[in-house]
Amino acid sequence: DADVTQTPRNRITKTGKRIMLECSQTKGHDRMYWYRQDPGLGLRLIYYSFDVKDINKGEISDGYSVSRQAQAKFSLSLESAIPNQTALYFCATSDLPSGTSTDTQYFGPGTRLTVL
Amino acid sequence: GDSVTQMEGPVTLSEEAFLTINCTYTATGYPSLFWYVQYPGEGLQLLLKATKADDKGSNKGFEATYRKETTSFHLEKGSVQVSDSAVYFCALSDQSNNDMRFGAGTRLTVKP
Repeated sequence: DADVTQTPRNRITKTGKRIMLECSQTKGHDRMYWYRQDPGLGLRLIYYSFDVKDINKGEISDGYSVSRQAQAKFSLSLESAIPNQTALYFCATSDLPSGTSTDTQYFGPGTRLTVL
Repeated sequence: GDSVTQMEGPVTLSEEAFLTINCTYTATGYPSLFWYVQYPGEGLQLLLKATKADDKGSNKGFEATYRKETTSFHLEKGSVQVSDSAVYFCALSDQSNNDMRFGAGTRLTVKP
């Protein structure tokens, strides 16, 4: 079974609808992230969470909200979807850094969202 | 803020050709540097990493050296295979704020 799973894998919705993307992980990591990927722009960070009680805005948080329901679950919501939120969305997890260890991130398979 | 710039693609090579994908960075602190690979239809996977200047990361025949003097982390492979066709992302992580920044990605296609 995959360590980081995302549901749904594909979603088509209409402008103004509320959408929730879900992410679950079995790696036991405290840190979780949401990114969006757009052609030519790479990945941009939307929100991240260092533990259940910690939520932080990333580079492009406007129009999005998140909920960390448990250590293993981190969901992303679009309260009122708009067409320029059409993108590929990735969830990722990482360990706490310690000493010289690095913040390697482990990614889910992605959710392709289309807003019409 | 911190940023990563990598060479634009797409890059098309014949099998067994030499690969270089350039990556340079801007950072105020002492970041860790990464190369991630994204195969078609999948999420990103860590390919290799380096945590300090002059470190060399290597994996699956790929390697990259952390060059502080030129703020670079170029990805190289001596002989590419068709199975290396993917999108490659350079990234940095500033451990002071745990902010991961990605480059735009470079699509590599290797032809038989």
